[in-house]
Amino acid sequence: DTGVSQNPRHKITKRGQNVTFRCDPISEHNRLYWYRQTLGQGPEFLTYFQNEAQLEKSRLLSDRFSAERPKGSFSTLEIQRTEQGDSAMYLCASRRDSPNTIYFGEGSWLTVV
Amino acid sequence: KNEVEQSPQNLTAQEGEFITINCSYSVGISALHWLQQHPGGGIVSLFMLSSGKKKHGRLIATINIQEKHSSLHITASHPRDSAVYICAVRGGGSEKLVFGKGTKLTVNP
Repeated sequence: DTGVSQNPRHKITKRGQNVTFRCDPISEHNRLYWYRQTLGQGPEFLTYFQNEAQLEKSRLLSDRFSAERPKGSFSTLEIQRTEQGDSAMYLCASRRDSPNTIYFGEGSWLTVV
Repeated sequence: KNEVEQSPQNLTAQEGEFITINCSYSVGISALHWLQQHPGGGIVSLFMLSSGKKKHGRLIATINIQEKHSSLHITASHPRDSAVYICAVRGGGSEKLVFGKGTKLTVNP
């Protein structure tokens, strides 16, 4: 059990550029989540996958955001045409059906300049 | 009004003190989580509750479904307990967790 792994851990990008974050969940965890957290706030839900199917999406996930989990293992979160308001930590989490303890990655920090 | 409210926002204690952090929520839930977040971002799940009380070491979590309220207690607090403690709830029929803003705990030696 190597934990939930996120890459890159830190990304600084210019406004308008595209960025992609990757999440490798704990193996055999079929459920995967993406959250966004800004300073001083709790995480906010972005999207949820069960295996490769994206079953829930937040209204926060605008047209510029897309997430995939093509083979039901790792997942990517892409942000197109980044804006300064996208600066945040993007957290990935995973769990299996049972027991339903949720495990979080260390997060990917995005700074848009 | 947030769906999940925590109090206090900040808490400073002396080593050895008994700590209580409160969480109130306004929606029906299927589960409530208590999580710990250290500087730098990593979040660790402490408890998941749907009823009653759970204990793990010096940590105790309780939930009152009727009153829509949960508490996290830390007995014999230690400086290494210093962290942000976050309450999060999952509503019925949804996988998303709705988080409180967190309680920043500082335990001084």
